[in-house]
Amino acid sequence: DTAVSQTPKYLVTQMGNDKSIKCEQNLGHDTMYWYKQDSKKFLKIMFSYNNKELIINETVPNRFSPKSPDKAHLNLHINSLELGDSAVYFCASSSGTNTGELFFGEGSRLTVL
Amino acid sequence: GNSVTQMEGPVTLSEEAFLTINCTYTATGYPSLFWYVQYPGEGLQLLLKATKADDKGSNKGFEATYRKETTSFHLEKGSVQVSDSAVYFCALRTFNNAGNMLTFGGGTRLMVKP
Repeated sequence: DTAVSQTPKYLVTQMGNDKSIKCEQNLGHDTMYWYKQDSKKFLKIMFSYNNKELIINETVPNRFSPKSPDKAHLNLHINSLELGDSAVYFCASSSGTNTGELFFGEGSRLTVL
Repeated sequence: GNSVTQMEGPVTLSEEAFLTINCTYTATGYPSLFWYVQYPGEGLQLLLKATKADDKGSNKGFEATYRKETTSFHLEKGSVQVSDSAVYFCALRTFNNAGNMLTFGGGTRLMVKP
């Protein structure tokens, strides 16, 4: 069983569209994250949720709206997509214990045309 | 603020060569330090970690020692294999009520040739 799964794996869409990426973890973790990886492989935290509550919201346009229906799911909705949104988006989760280990999904490659 | 700086890649080595990927950090307090690896088409996986000064993390032949005096956590392997080709990320962790907040370096691509 995949521990952290994201769908879709690939997403190609036009500028101005709205799209969502879903993430689910079956590890029983309390905290989930969205990271953005650009074309140069830089990874940047976007959001962090702990038990369905938003904890971290880095400088991200408000076109990006995370939603956590329960602690096993953290979805990312993006409105009015722009060219600069093209990237690989990674979902991750971690337990409440002080281990520092994040478990990542395989990523969702978004291409905005 | 916290930051992590890694040597830029790509690093290209022949099989069985010695590997060093440099990593230095800036952080308040005493962070934990990590190396993550990303194989082609996959998400990141934890490779090794060290939680306090002078700790050595090791896994799969890779090692890194937490050096507080030089604020470094360089990754080493004595003999690389083709299967080690991947992107390696150094990271530091600060822990607060937001959970495990990891700050990543820019990643270093390693290419190992037969």
